[in-house]
Amino acid sequence: DAGVIQSPRHEVTEMGQEVTLRCKPISGHNSLFWYRQTMMRGLELLIYFNNNVPIDDSGMPEDRFSAKMPNASFSTLKIQPSEPRDSAVYFCASSFAGGAYEQYFGPGTRLTVT
Amino acid sequence: SQKIEQNSEALNIQEGKTATLTCNYTNYSPAYLQWYRQDPGRGPVFLLLIRENEKEKRKERLKVTFDTTLKQSLFHITASQPADSATYLCALDNSNSGYALNFGKGTSLLVTP
Repeated sequence: DAGVIQSPRHEVTEMGQEVTLRCKPISGHNSLFWYRQTMMRGLELLIYFNNNVPIDDSGMPEDRFSAKMPNASFSTLKIQPSEPRDSAVYFCASSFAGGAYEQYFGPGTRLTVT
Repeated sequence: SQKIEQNSEALNIQEGKTATLTCNYTNYSPAYLQWYRQDPGRGPVFLLLIRENEKEKRKERLKVTFDTTLKQSLFHITASQPADSATYLCALDNSNSGYALNFGKGTSLLVTP
């Protein structure tokens, strides 16, 4: 398996633009997680899905953020409109559900909003 | 609120010595705790998982302890090597979300020859 795949790897956009980050989890995993990492706040959970259903989105900072998982092999995280404070590295991770399983992280998307 | 604390100061040690990293937590009763390694520009990579009823777990040169009374986990790397230089993150199960994890900010380890 290729592991968790994220695209794009880098994104530079202007304030106010829409940004869409993409993730393909490991085949067979039924939990998917979106995280954001900054120096100040570390790695923060934004939202997670179990069997394509959002379970906890309490970490999503504002209504400008939305996430979808239309099927077991694809998820998107959208920011509209983007702001400079959204600049961070966004990670997607997947795992088996139902207990204490390790998470497999993608390489991340480095987002810069100018 | 739930808090996970890892030493924010980098840990510098000499090759061959044992590195010990600390993870303290408050307002938590985690069922398990995990340790991850993160290299610059990469996503975290899972290393070890220890459950609340386990006191110690080992994997090759790695050892993790879990003291639920002290609310602390220690992560040891014996016979450390320069290749062990990275940031190490501890993570606890998220009491609100079952299978999600809350991560500490990590401790940077530098092993010098």
